[in-house]
Amino acid sequence: ETGVTQTPRHLVMGMTNKKSLKCEQHLGHNAMYWYKQSAKKPLELMFVYSLEERVENNSVPSRFSPECPNSSHLFLHLHTLQPEDSALYLCASSQALGAGYTFGSGTRLTVV
Amino acid sequence: AQKITQTQPGMFVQEKEAVTLDCTYDTSDPSYGLFWYKQPSSGEMIFLIYQGSYDQQNATEGRYSLNFQKARKSANLVISASQLGDSAMYFCAMSQREYGNKLVFGAGTILRVKS
Repeated sequence: ETGVTQTPRHLVMGMTNKKSLKCEQHLGHNAMYWYKQSAKKPLELMFVYSLEERVENNSVPSRFSPECPNSSHLFLHLHTLQPEDSALYLCASSQALGAGYTFGSGTRLTVV
Repeated sequence: AQKITQTQPGMFVQEKEAVTLDCTYDTSDPSYGLFWYKQPSSGEMIFLIYQGSYDQQNATEGRYSLNFQKARKSANLVISASQLGDSAMYFCAMSQREYGNKLVFGAGTILRVKS
């Protein structure tokens, strides 16, 4: 257990479905991140939250909608996804922007 | 722009031998950090080692050491006495003050340890 927990571990969804990925950390960190890891591509930073405020959105399509209700929880709401959105979605947290990251185990998403 | 390059898509090493995984980076920011992460097949990213741009000595953490050559902009990871459990994907990453200290990752190197 790394201190960052992601659920579910695996998710299969249709293109018309709505689902949410959850990330939870109990490390007292103030920054949280969503990364996308596709096959044969480097990890892509999607969203950054610092003290529950979104500080970065890296041109991510609107079908991905993040939510950070408090410093311990981060969600990624998914709707009308495309097959190319199939990937491993990793959540990470850090004490502050620039400090070392602790990653969760990821959610492996398959869009059918 | 931030750029991390890992030129070795895959590496093999014999158990108990040492292996070096290459990483070069490109930055004009004098303040940056370099990280190595291990990703086993389970998907979790495990932090291994960190080197700050102003650190005078190479970082070491147990069997992991970082060969930091600032002038060449390289930050190679050396794993000594390889174990079967070291088989995984390894990512080099960089954070720069200029870019808000967010981590940017290289493409990764798959390491396979042979018995």
